Amino acid sequence: QVQLQESGPGLVKPSETLTLTCGVSGYSISSDYSWAWIRQPPGKGLEWIGSIYHRETTYYNPSLTRPVTMSLDASKNQVSLRLNSVTAADTAVYYCARHLGVQWFPFDMWGQGTMVIVSS
Amino acid sequence: SYELTQPLSVSVALGQTASITCGGDNIGNKKVHWYQQKPAQAPVLVIYRDDNRPSAIPEGFSASNSGNKATLTINRVQAGDEADYYCHVWDGRTASFGGGTKLTVL
Repeated sequence: QVQLQESGPGLVKPSETLTLTCGVSGYSISSDYSWAWIRQPPGKGLEWIGSIYHRETTYYNPSLTRPVTMSLDASKNQVSLRLNSVTAADTAVYYCARHLGVQWFPFDMWGQGTMVIVSS
Repeated sequence: SYELTQPLSVSVALGQTASITCGGDNIGNKKVHWYQQKPAQAPVLVIYRDDNRPSAIPEGFSASNSGNKATLTINRVQAGDEADYYCHVWDGRTASFGGGTKLTVL
């Protein structure tokens, strides 16, 4: 059974770097799926941050105001998200999800999410 | 980015039919996916590629997509269907979500 599990620091200070990981069990991240990060500010809707394909091909939301970095660690079977210089606007639940590709494919499996609060 | 418009809320009586719309420019030319999100839970895929239902989703869920509007329909609504619903499309290699619709069961 495939499972996704996000983990992160919980609380981050403004201007610091946020790093989140998504551990995948029951499926190799080096196989056919892409892996996405999606966030949801408290009381608001879903925002796609970006996706990474197994050959380290990445595609990010062009609406993001700051660059993000995604990476794969095949040895740990996990996906990482790095967001620099966080602000209060980055406070959200962060989800990882998998999808087979773009155009035709949904996010068919999601992790339970990890809450990140940006505050001094 | 590609904009998707959903009503903020929809109310329906128990046992009746609920319809949730998702508007977008020529959205009928795209494949639309729908997610259900209950409080404090992750979203769950309920419809993919316009009108396909995952095997774990009850038969009462259906959807259509044409022109500038996609519609999620829930037949014989149950109390457990009360949730937020989001539509999603890909525009090139960018994913867009609608703002979400809160379904209230009366």
